[in-house]
Amino acid sequence: GAVVSQHPSRVICKSGTSVKIECRSLDFQATTMFWYRQFPKKSLMLMATSNEGSKATYEQGVEKDKFLINHASLTLSTLTVTSAHPEDSSFYICSARTNPGQGASPRNQPQHFGDGTRLSIL
Amino acid sequence: AQKITQTQPGMFVQEKEAVTLDCTYDTSDPSYGLFWYKQPSSGEMIFLIYQGSYDQQNATEGRYSLNFQKARKSANLVISASQLGDSAMYFCAMREGPQTGANNLFFGTGTRLTVIP
Repeated sequence: GAVVSQHPSRVICKSGTSVKIECRSLDFQATTMFWYRQFPKKSLMLMATSNEGSKATYEQGVEKDKFLINHASLTLSTLTVTSAHPEDSSFYICSARTNPGQGASPRNQPQHFGDGTRLSIL
Repeated sequence: AQKITQTQPGMFVQEKEAVTLDCTYDTSDPSYGLFWYKQPSSGEMIFLIYQGSYDQQNATEGRYSLNFQKARKSANLVISASQLGDSAMYFCAMREGPQTGANNLFFGTGTRLTVIP
């Protein structure tokens, strides 16, 4: 079964609204979560890395005021797309991992991905 | 330079045949991990197989095997006995540094595999 839950799976909203995407690790403590963005028929591009209890580290070119990331607990990270515009339309996917010493990583995989969120801004 | 290169944008394979998806990587870190993920049209990323840089043997997981050639820095995925359900995008990815670190994955551009009945 899934070990990372991402919600919502799809969202359509008007330009100018803010959208929050949640990423939850279901049965392990995710000390680190990653947020990726994927354009149609393109690869996954890392947006930011978030560690529980600290500020996220954003990749070059990613606006941190635009894409707010909160990792307040060991099982939940959120990505908020603020004042969304049509160019923010994309597929967003999170992944979560634990570090040795924090408990075994499920199925010995270093990262577990959510099912993604397809965001469409009208 | 690209850390992961997948030179095949698309591949076709006859059902029940084997297919090899190419992946080359670039890193100067002696410790790294290589991954293959499958992404069906629904979008989720499905982990297929993992190869550590210090692993002596090629990884295998059911119908998937990884042809790891360290000197050539290649990590090709071999899918045997292709099934219609194998049609999807396939991404090669690499983690630099030891697994104990919280390092992100670098992804290739992907290969779209189509299995023909």
